Amino acid sequence: DAKTTQPNSMESNEEEPVHLPCNHSTISGTDYIHWYRQLPSQGPEYVIHGLTSNVNNRMASLAIAEDRKSSTLILHRATLRDAAVYYCIPTSGAGSYQLTFGKGTKLSVIP
Amino acid sequence: ETGVTQTPRHLVMGMTNKKSLKCEQHLGHNAMYWYKQSAKKPLELMFVYNFKEQTENNSVPSRFSPECPNSSHLFLHLHTLQPEDSALYLCASSQDPWSGLTPLHFGNGTRLTVT
Repeated sequence: DAKTTQPNSMESNEEEPVHLPCNHSTISGTDYIHWYRQLPSQGPEYVIHGLTSNVNNRMASLAIAEDRKSSTLILHRATLRDAAVYYCIPTSGAGSYQLTFGKGTKLSVIP
Repeated sequence: ETGVTQTPRHLVMGMTNKKSLKCEQHLGHNAMYWYKQSAKKPLELMFVYNFKEQTENNSVPSRFSPECPNSSHLFLHLHTLQPEDSALYLCASSQDPWSGLTPLHFGNGTRLTVT
């Protein structure tokens, strides 16, 4: 599995954009980059995933570096409900499927 | 409502007790999973079931015994646990465990305390 590095914690003001970085320098060419988040007292929830191109959905955008050694999850306008631990997880697109969760980034949103 | 329901939400048990955790999914998924989340540790995969067959056992002690009677239900039977087994136990499901593209859907977990 590719090793990931994320900041332990970040802070954002409410209604400001948030850029959550992730380094995954050992990622293989077929690994997708998944992001999950875990709100307090809840299980993790899927946010977004991508391979090479930038991706957008209703929750967030994912910007992937051209060399794929890093990616950034973008929340366009942080709300208090976005306060959570965000996990960046490279995972194989084929074969045995297993998410390996790291420690993630704890995002605090300041009103 | 996550689509994956776990009961009970909280459980306190003694080391000599036997209890079971229940998970149910109404998403039509074929695969179900048990994860363990201890304080200050990352989520750990315990078991994977695909079409009711166990496909992964991540070196879990035998005091944890999973059961998957059908693709919608998953149980974790607990007996003679240790205090260090206290953790949040999370159930998840996905359409296909062999594809890295189908996301996991998690329940909100059972907070287990072993006294």
